[in-house]
Amino acid sequence: GAGVSQTPSNKVTEKGKYVELRCDPISGHTALYWYRQSLGQGPEFLIYFQGTGAADDSGLPNDRFFAVRPEGSVSTLKIQRTERGDSAVYLCASSLSGGATGGADTQYFGPGTRLTVL
Amino acid sequence: AQSVSQHNHHVILSEAASLELGCNYSYGGTVNLFWYVQYPGQHLQLLLKYFSGDPLVKGIKGFEAEFIKSKFSFNLRKPSVQWSDTAEYFCAVNRMDSSYKLIFGSGTRLLVRP
Repeated sequence: GAGVSQTPSNKVTEKGKYVELRCDPISGHTALYWYRQSLGQGPEFLIYFQGTGAADDSGLPNDRFFAVRPEGSVSTLKIQRTERGDSAVYLCASSLSGGATGGADTQYFGPGTRLTVL
Repeated sequence: AQSVSQHNHHVILSEAASLELGCNYSYGGTVNLFWYVQYPGQHLQLLLKYFSGDPLVKGIKGFEAEFIKSKFSFNLRKPSVQWSDTAEYFCAVNRMDSSYKLIFGSGTRLLVRP
């Protein structure tokens, strides 16, 4: 079946602009995650949704970052006033039920959006 | 803060050589452990995972990993690598009290020469 999809695959923007990154999870997955991967590093957790609500947004670096999942399916990560340090690959993942299974869920990752801030 | 260390950043092997990639984590409580792989041009995919039971876990493509609790380690092994194993390998951990949050190591790039 279809995996996690993310659009756009690449986004180039100028410092100070606003960007939106979209994630389409696997159908039926209630849990959705955003991670950020900088060059030479592993992915870093940003935010976790269980259904429509953000159960944990402790990984968001500052208030320029915001994410929504209004209908419990597609999610959008929004970055205001982008800075060069925001350049990274933004990964989305989904799993069947999230933390309710004590971490037994497998997180399925999308291909990522490569964001470049000039 | 919890962390995951992968000591080998780059590994180069010839085909048929044996592979062992190190992974150590720094959390004293109950954890779940994962190895993810990213082949060139592809997205992250799960190689294997450990939750409980037998500390020797077998995954896809002939990979296995052993959880040694006393050493806080979860090393990945394969007895004989193939050129198609060329990829980046990430170890990850989650804690039982925040089990949705994967903490990743910085990755090991493996190059297998034909």
